[in-house]
Amino acid sequence: EDQVTQSPEALRLQEGESSSLNCSYTVSGLRGLFWYRQDPGKGPEFLFTLYSAGEEKEKERLKATLTKKESFLHITAPKPEDSATYLCAVQADFGNEKLTFGTGTRLTIIP
Amino acid sequence: KAGVTQTPRYLIKTRGQQVTLSCSPISGHRSVSWYQQTPGQGLQFLFEYFSETQRNKGNFPGRFSGRQFSNSRSEMNVSTLELGDSALYLCASRPGLSTDTQYFGPGTRLTVL
Repeated sequence: EDQVTQSPEALRLQEGESSSLNCSYTVSGLRGLFWYRQDPGKGPEFLFTLYSAGEEKEKERLKATLTKKESFLHITAPKPEDSATYLCAVQADFGNEKLTFGTGTRLTIIP
Repeated sequence: KAGVTQTPRYLIKTRGQQVTLSCSPISGHRSVSWYQQTPGQGLQFLFEYFSETQRNKGNFPGRFSGRQFSNSRSEMNVSTLELGDSALYLCASRPGLSTDTQYFGPGTRLTVL
């Protein structure tokens, strides 16, 4: 069964203090790994899709990387508006194309 | 281009009732998936529809069902509601089966009393 574990569960950072969120996964064959951001009371907002080990993608202060066992979401010089829950999900490369989600990392950026 | 829309946004029901939730995908998107989000279990896959056919189904009881119309709009139905069905129900769409990225709507918050 596909599994996704995210750590830490919660992270509080000062504005400008860079850090990384971790997503460890177990999947029979990886078709894609996805990062989403979710604000309270809203649906997840798509950030990145990664397909193969070594791949990196960037968007503003966020950079996502992928290895064969885990993915990192690096946040550089975060601002208060980056506060949200960040969700990681995997999709297997055959059979059910559902997304299997981790429970998320709740990030709080303190001004 | 408008995003995924879901109606209603909030719903309060009592145990034993049934409920129908609606989802309109992004224009041109033909695949619609449904997910249940709860504080304890996180996001869990319910089912996916493409071209009016259910392609995949998650591990939920038969009380949860869905359908898709020819215009790609989708509905999900929960019969005989239980307290544990209280959750945020999220709909996600993607253009087709060859595109992996799913785009989510704002969700319907269902409370069962």
